[in-house]
Amino acid sequence: GDSVTQMEGPVTLSEEAFLTINCTYTATGYPSLFWYVQYPGEGLQLLLKATKADDKGSNKGFEATYRKETTSFHLEKGSVQVSDSAVYFCALGNTGGFKTIFGAGTRLFVKA
Amino acid sequence: NAGVTQTPKFQVLKTGQSMTLQCAQDMNHNSMYWYRQDPGMGLRLIYYSASEGTTDKGEVPNGYNVSRLNKREFSLRLESAAPSQTSVYFCASVGTSYEQYFGPGTRLTVT
Repeated sequence: GDSVTQMEGPVTLSEEAFLTINCTYTATGYPSLFWYVQYPGEGLQLLLKATKADDKGSNKGFEATYRKETTSFHLEKGSVQVSDSAVYFCALGNTGGFKTIFGAGTRLFVKA
Repeated sequence: NAGVTQTPKFQVLKTGQSMTLQCAQDMNHNSMYWYRQDPGMGLRLIYYSASEGTTDKGEVPNGYNVSRLNKREFSLRLESAAPSQTSVYFCASVGTSYEQYFGPGTRLTVT
C-alpha cells in the first residue's frame, strides 16, 4: 500500500546551518505531497505542498521538490533559526482514497 | 476567519465518564477528520467525514462515535472513557488540493 518514510530524529543543528530532512514515498497513483510543521503544544500547520511532479513548494525559507523519478520530497532550508525548532511531518494525499498518509515526524532542535 | 476551532482545549475525565469534543471549520470544506496523537505513535485517524451526512471509520475507531452535524461541525464522542484514550485529539478539514487544516487540539486525560 501507499506509505511515507522520513528520516528519524532528533536532528540537532546550530543556528544558520543548512537543513535537510529526507522523505520518500510509495504510491500507486499521482499523489499530492505535503510538509507540515508542529510547534510545541500546537496543532499541525501546512508548511508547503506540491501537487505534481517537478513542482517546488516553498514557504518561510523552506523548500521541497516533488521528484517522481526518485519518489522523494526532501525538505530543505538554507539557514535555520532557533524558532524553526519543531516536529516536521511529510505526508501523502490524494492517493485515491480519503486518507492522508503521514510520516512518523522528525524532531528538529536548533541551538543558538 | 478562525479556520478550525476545537473545544475544549483541556479535559480530565474519570474512567467510564462520557464527553463530546467539538470541532468547527469556516472554510466551507466538505471533508473533515478526527485524529489522535500519542507520543511515539504519530497521528492515527479515528473517523472521517467525506461530506455532510457521511462518516467512516479510520484506523482506530473503537470506543468513539462521531456526528457530522452540518457542513461546518464534526463532533467526536467518547461514550465510556478509558485510560487508553488519554491522548491529544486533533480535528482537521481538507482543502481542494487535499491539504489539511488542523485545529489546536484537545488534551484529554482519563484517570
